[in-house]
Amino acid sequence: GAVVSQHPSRVICKSGTSVKIECRSLDFQATTMFWYRQFPKQSLMLMATSNEGSKATYEQGVEKDKFLINHASLTLSTLTVTSAHPEDSSFYICSARDRGYMNTEAFFGQGTRLTVV
Amino acid sequence: DAKTTQPPSMDCAEGRAANLPCNHSTISGNEYVYWYRQIHSQGPQYIIHGLKNNETNEMASLIITEDRKSSTLILPHATLRDTAVYYCIVRTRIPSNSNSGYALNFGKGTSLLVTP
Repeated sequence: GAVVSQHPSRVICKSGTSVKIECRSLDFQATTMFWYRQFPKQSLMLMATSNEGSKATYEQGVEKDKFLINHASLTLSTLTVTSAHPEDSSFYICSARDRGYMNTEAFFGQGTRLTVV
Repeated sequence: DAKTTQPPSMDCAEGRAANLPCNHSTISGNEYVYWYRQIHSQGPQYIIHGLKNNETNEMASLIITEDRKSSTLILPHATLRDTAVYYCIVRTRIPSNSNSGYALNFGKGTSLLVTP
């Protein structure tokens, strides 16, 4: 089946630095990818929708200048957490849909555990 | 998208069927019912989805009531590896001329514990 690969799976960074997370659709093209954040014992919260070749759409309360999203190709979207702080520590998950099968399932990456120290 | 209501937790004995209910009383005619699960510290995994008819695949069965206001996910023979949080999500059918939007919005789900 279709696979979405996220990299890295875990990252520890120092406060004030930036971290880039990659999300790739391995065997399909995705015009739209989604970025979620999940804090411990909570559900997934949608952060932003990443559209290939255009600006991302951010959910209310998510700072676009802090969470930079680039969707430069039909198989790759990146999320950069800039000037990370300990409160940004979370589980970040991306999702993508096959552009040819919009009403079938969305596929999720394995997630990236970010720890800011 | 319609709101869903699920019990916060359920237990099931290994080998028995796990029946996970979901209420979506405000669902409209063009909204699908999706089920995903999330095993601890992993990304969500697709299980099944349906519009009106009951569906079955190698993982589970989805039973949707005739009025579509509720559904049940059935894991026919639960194993310890089925312990996870199960999410029932309702999402509008994406128009054929649309290439963006329509994210899945996750509620709190049901935490299923399968016991030996």
